[in-house]
This record gives sequence, C-alpha cells and structure tokens, in this order.
Amino acid sequence: GAVVSQHPSWVICKSGTSVKIECRSLDFQATTMFWYRQFPKQSLMLMATSNEGSKATYEQGVEKDKFLINHASLTLSTLTVTSAHPEDSSFYICSAEGTGPYGYTFGSGTRLTVV
Amino acid sequence: GQSLEQPSEVTAVEGAIVQINCTYQTSGFYGLSWYQQHDGGAPTFLSYNALDGLEETGRFSSFLSRSDSYGYLLLQELQMKDSASYFCAVRDWDTDKLIFGTGTRLQVFP
Repeated sequence: GAVVSQHPSWVICKSGTSVKIECRSLDFQATTMFWYRQFPKQSLMLMATSNEGSKATYEQGVEKDKFLINHASLTLSTLTVTSAHPEDSSFYICSAEGTGPYGYTFGSGTRLTVV
Repeated sequence: GQSLEQPSEVTAVEGAIVQINCTYQTSGFYGLSWYQQHDGGAPTFLSYNALDGLEETGRFSSFLSRSDSYGYLLLQELQMKDSASYFCAVRDWDTDKLIFGTGTRLQVFP
C-alpha cells in the first residue's frame, strides 16, 4: 500500500536554530501534502497545504515565514521550522492526499523538542 | 468552516462497549471518518460513513446522521490495546482538507 516516510522521527534542537522535516511518498506521487501540528493531549491542527510546484497555503494564525514549506517534487515535501523556540515543541505530521484509506496517507510523525 | 466536537475522555473496562460521539458543524463534506491514534504515533484510519446509517468493521462500528449533524464510533469487546485517542474527521467539500475533531481519549481498565 501507499507509504509516506517522515524523517526525522524525533529531534531536539537549541532555541534559535532551524529544523527541517521531510516527508517522502515512497510508491506514489503526492500532488498535495497536508502538514499538521499536535500539542500534547490535543487534536491535530492543520497548519498548511502544499501543492507540488506552487506556494503553500497556510491556515489562519500560522506564520508562513516561520514554517517554511517546500514541495519541489511529487515525492518530497519539507517543513522547516525556522528560529525555533520552546513553544514550537510539538508533534508534526504530514499527510498525502489521494491514496490510502479514505484518501489520505499519514507519515509517522516528528516529535520536535526545542530547548 | 468545519467544527467537530467530541467528549474529551471516556473510560471503560475490558470487555465492555463504549460509544464516542461526534457532533459537527460543516459547510459541506463528503462523509465522516474515524481515526485511532496511540501516543506518539500517527493516526490510523478506522471507519468511514459516506451515508447515514451504521457501518460495521469487526469490533468497531460507526454511525452517521446527517440530519442531526451527529455521528458516533462504537467499540465492542474492549481490549487494553484500545486505549488510545480517537478522532472523528471530515474531508472538506471545497478544499479536500481533512479536518479533525477535538479528540477523545479512551482509557480501558482491566
């Protein structure tokens, strides 16, 4: 079945540095990728939608200059958290549209801790 | 926009039956889906209701009533491994975005 590989699975970084999270579709082409953020004991909140070859669209309240999304190919979408701060510590997860049950395939998630 | 509300927590014992409700306000959607998420893991698809009525998949069943803007997930013969968070979700009619409900944390006790 369809697989989305997300890396890294966890990362610890210092405040002020940037972190890149990658999501690769392994056996299909992901035209659209959704990025979510999940704080402990909360729901998955959609941050942005990325489409291959075009600029990402961000949900209200999400800083596009802080969360840089690149979807340069049909198999790779990246989320870069720039100038990370402790409040950015969260679980980040991607989801590719078009395959998988109910039409979505999720990555395994990235636990980001900013110290 | 889309808004889906769930009870925050439900507890039950092994072997019991539990129902997790989801009430929603949407501007148009394809149907109601349900996901399970264990701590630190990705959401796992459980069930989908495109039409009103009951869908049964093993120990899990899901129900949808569009006229009542309401759905539920029914878990039978509960097992310890069912302890997880459960989310209802809708696929937005216009944008294809998958919007999750507030989530319900289920704790199963022996």
